[in-house]
Amino acid sequence: QSALTQPASVSGSPGQSITISCTGTSSDVGGYNYVSWYQQHPGKAPKLMIYDVTNRPSGVSNRFSGSKSGNTASLTISGLQAEDEADYYCSSYAGSNTVLFGGGTRLTVL
Amino acid sequence: EVQLVESGGGSVQPGRSLRLSCAASGFTFDDYAMHWVRQAPGKGLEWVSGITWNSGGVTYADSVKGRFTISRDNAKNSLHLQMNSLRTEDTALYYCAKAKGFGGDFDNWGQGALVTVSS
Repeated sequence: QSALTQPASVSGSPGQSITISCTGTSSDVGGYNYVSWYQQHPGKAPKLMIYDVTNRPSGVSNRFSGSKSGNTASLTISGLQAEDEADYYCSSYAGSNTVLFGGGTRLTVL
Repeated sequence: EVQLVESGGGSVQPGRSLRLSCAASGFTFDDYAMHWVRQAPGKGLEWVSGITWNSGGVTYADSVKGRFTISRDNAKNSLHLQMNSLRTEDTALYYCAKAKGFGGDFDNWGQGALVTVSS
């Protein structure tokens, strides 16, 4: 049960787009279409932003989108806004009803 | 409105036990799997344990297997985590989370219960 690999930090200017990667193995990210992304602001509980690789829950801005290729999933945020500054975590189903999280990525809006 | 409220956190010495609870409301509790996710101070999220709607399937992270036990009481809309043989590395904020679907996506979270294990 090793954590999924995410970059420690990414940054972008308002209005730009950024992409956060999440790399796993064929036993988790690559083996199932069950990748989720969470946004966490300091002192707050995580918020589901993307589920099942590409789906957005009701109420989540369409500036957030997800994709997957092989063992790597990605979260793209377009039209960056100041309020997007937060920590982002990916997760994946890993079989036998277990879940793996990534180490998290700190997004800084310059 | 979905609400998940954790309780039972606190400070304990290594080797001792603690039981966390999560009171759920605003949804049909026995329709959904439930999970515990923890976050050590300044660190990332770690999935701890999950339980199916009918308690027929329970799973654990390797780091807690054999020490933690997850359970639920559908009549009382509550989720529990019995934590035995606690270690300093178990120190974390423990979140109760509702599963949205099958694949480990959590669409509602509590505010967390802080567990501190220290001598």
